[in-house]
Amino acid sequence: AQSVTQPDIHITVSEGASLELRCNYSYGATPYLFWYVQSPGQGLQLLLKYFSGDTLVQGIKGFEAEFKRSQSSFNLRKPSVHWSDAAEYFCAVGYSGYSTLTFGKGTMLLVSP
Amino acid sequence: DVKVTQSSRYLVKRTGEKVFLECVQDMDHENMFWYRQDPGLGLRLIYFSYDVKMKEKGDIPEGYSVSREKKERFSLILESASTNQTSMYLCASRLQSPNSNQPQHFGDGTRLSIL
Repeated sequence: AQSVTQPDIHITVSEGASLELRCNYSYGATPYLFWYVQSPGQGLQLLLKYFSGDTLVQGIKGFEAEFKRSQSSFNLRKPSVHWSDAAEYFCAVGYSGYSTLTFGKGTMLLVSP
Repeated sequence: DVKVTQSSRYLVKRTGEKVFLECVQDMDHENMFWYRQDPGLGLRLIYFSYDVKMKEKGDIPEGYSVSREKKERFSLILESASTNQTSMYLCASRLQSPNSNQPQHFGDGTRLSIL
C-alpha cells in the first residue's frame, strides 16, 4: 500500500535560517510527488511537483525539492525562511495507474523572530 | 487560475441532521475530490468523482454520500450527521488523468461542527 511519512510534526526555524522538511514514500514504482502548503484557515496550495527528469525541482515562493530514489525521499528546502512561510506543509505521492494521491500527515512550520 | 469554491467557510449543524456541503470549480475539470482533515491525521479521501454521475469511494466513505449532477459541482452529503463528523472538509479538482500526475486544486475548506 502507498504511504507517505513526514517524520516531523512541528519544526521551528528562525527567520532568515534555512529550512528542510522531510518526506519519505513507500512503494517500488516511480512516484509522482507533490508538496502543498496550507496557511491558517486556507485550503492547500501547490508549491511544486516532480514527475520525471531533473531530480531538483523549483517551485513557487523560493522553495525547491530534491527527489532521491535511493532514499525514497522528496525533501523540501528553502535557503532563507520568512515569517510568512509559517504554515502547514503536506507531501503527497501518486503513481501511474492510480487516480488518487496519498498525503502525509503534515509538518507545521513555526518561524521565530 | 483555477478557482474551487466551497459554499460555506463555517457551518454548525445538529446531530441527526442531513448536511450538504457544496463545491464548485470553474476550470472544466473532470475529476473532483472530497477530503476531511483532522489534526494529526492529515487529509483522508472520502469520495472522488471521475466525471458527471461517476463516483468512487475513498478511504473513509462511511456516513457520507456524494452527488455530481453537473461537471462543475460536487456535493458531499452527511446523511445523518454525528459528532464524530466534526472536521474540516476540503474539496479539490483536477484535469482528467488515469494516473496521479495532474495537480489537484483545493478550495478554502468548510469547517463543520456537529453539536
